Amino acid sequence: DAKTTQPTSMDCAEGRAANLPCNHSTISGNEYVYWYRQIHSQGPQYIIHGLKNNETNEMASLIITEDRKSSTLILPHATLRDTAVYYCIVKGETSGSRLTFGEGTQLTVNP
Amino acid sequence: EPEVTQTPSHQVTQMGQEVILRCVPISNHLYFYWYRQILGQKVEFLVSFYNNEISEKSEIFDDQFSVERPDGSNFTLKIRSTKLEDSAMYFCASSPPGGYGNYGYTFGSGTRLTVV
Repeated sequence: DAKTTQPTSMDCAEGRAANLPCNHSTISGNEYVYWYRQIHSQGPQYIIHGLKNNETNEMASLIITEDRKSSTLILPHATLRDTAVYYCIVKGETSGSRLTFGEGTQLTVNP
Repeated sequence: EPEVTQTPSHQVTQMGQEVILRCVPISNHLYFYWYRQILGQKVEFLVSFYNNEISEKSEIFDDQFSVERPDGSNFTLKIRSTKLEDSAMYFCASSPPGGYGNYGYTFGSGTRLTVV
């Protein structure tokens, strides 16, 4: 699976949009971009994933560049409960294959 | 919303003892996983399980580890002779059938294992 690069930490004001970037320049054609988050030692929580089109669900939006070498997770109105470590993971489409977690981005939402 | 349930939430054991960590995956899921996270470190993959057999395992998953699905609902991780370095949070996860990355994995809230 392709390697990802994320900033170590970011801050965001409550109520504002949080934009979390991820670089995955070695991504291959059949690999998806997944985002998970981990709130203070709880189990990782799935947020969203995409292949090449932008995706939106009730939690977030995922913007993938046309060349697929980078993506941005957008939390449109961040709340204090969104403070967490956010992981960008590139994974093939095979069911049951492992997720490889990196260090992620520590997002702190400030009041 | 369906959940992955893990028990116990915290287990303390003496070095050299055997422990069994238990998980109840989501009922219609077919793929099951164990991950661990040593305090302050990354979440690490241990093993995946499908159709009653191990489908993939990491280099961490050596002979002291084993997994089992003893009945239709439980999925267990056994550590035969615990070492101090096995102290970690252990997360169980499950995912539904189907390819094309249609679904994320659902993780449980973890079992904190402390080996003393």
